[in-house]
Amino acid sequence: EDKVVQSPLSLVVHEGDTVTLNCSYEVTNFRSLLWYKQEKKAPTFLFMLTSSGIEKKSGRLSSILDKKELFSILNITATQTGDSAVYLCAVPPVMDTGRRALTFGSGTRLQVQP
Amino acid sequence: GAGVSQSPSNKVTEKGKDVELRCDPISGHTALYWYRQSLGQGLEFLIYFQGNSAPDKSGLPSDRFSAERTGGSVSTLTIQRTQQEDSAVYLCASSLAGRGPYEQYFGPGTRLTVT
Repeated sequence: EDKVVQSPLSLVVHEGDTVTLNCSYEVTNFRSLLWYKQEKKAPTFLFMLTSSGIEKKSGRLSSILDKKELFSILNITATQTGDSAVYLCAVPPVMDTGRRALTFGSGTRLQVQP
Repeated sequence: GAGVSQSPSNKVTEKGKDVELRCDPISGHTALYWYRQSLGQGLEFLIYFQGNSAPDKSGLPSDRFSAERTGGSVSTLTIQRTQQEDSAVYLCASSLAGRGPYEQYFGPGTRLTVT
């Protein structure tokens, strides 16, 4: 069974700080890893990572994957109060199993204080 | 275009009552997923539809839970004889067929509270 573990579970920082969120995984036939941002209820897609060592970047957010050590990190620089959310890491199943659901970690709750 | 929509946004019900939650996927998305998220927990998969059929129901927690999808579009998740442990946010997601399971677009969710 696929397993995704995120740390820390929660984090409180001040505006302007840089944060690093961690996601480790144990999956059969790894294909990709996804990061979502969840504010209130609906998760919104941030990144999909498939190749080790290649950083994905979007504004102040960036993410990188280490397939050898089986983890990914999500970095947020110069944090703003609008970054406050739960950040979810997920892996998709192997396609030939018939399963289609993502396996999610429990998330990291980030709170950015002014 | 319109995203995934869900209704109601909030539902409070008494223990033992039945509830129906509705999901309207993005037009043209043939794959539809239901997840639930209990307080402080990650997303838990419930059921996946491809068209009107459900090839993966492995996440439904008990036979009190059922779901259907009609016309390859709207889906309804029904919880019979609700229990307090059913309280959670129920999220629906959809994706285009053939693009893998990972580009899923989520609806705003329904927050279910069972008293």
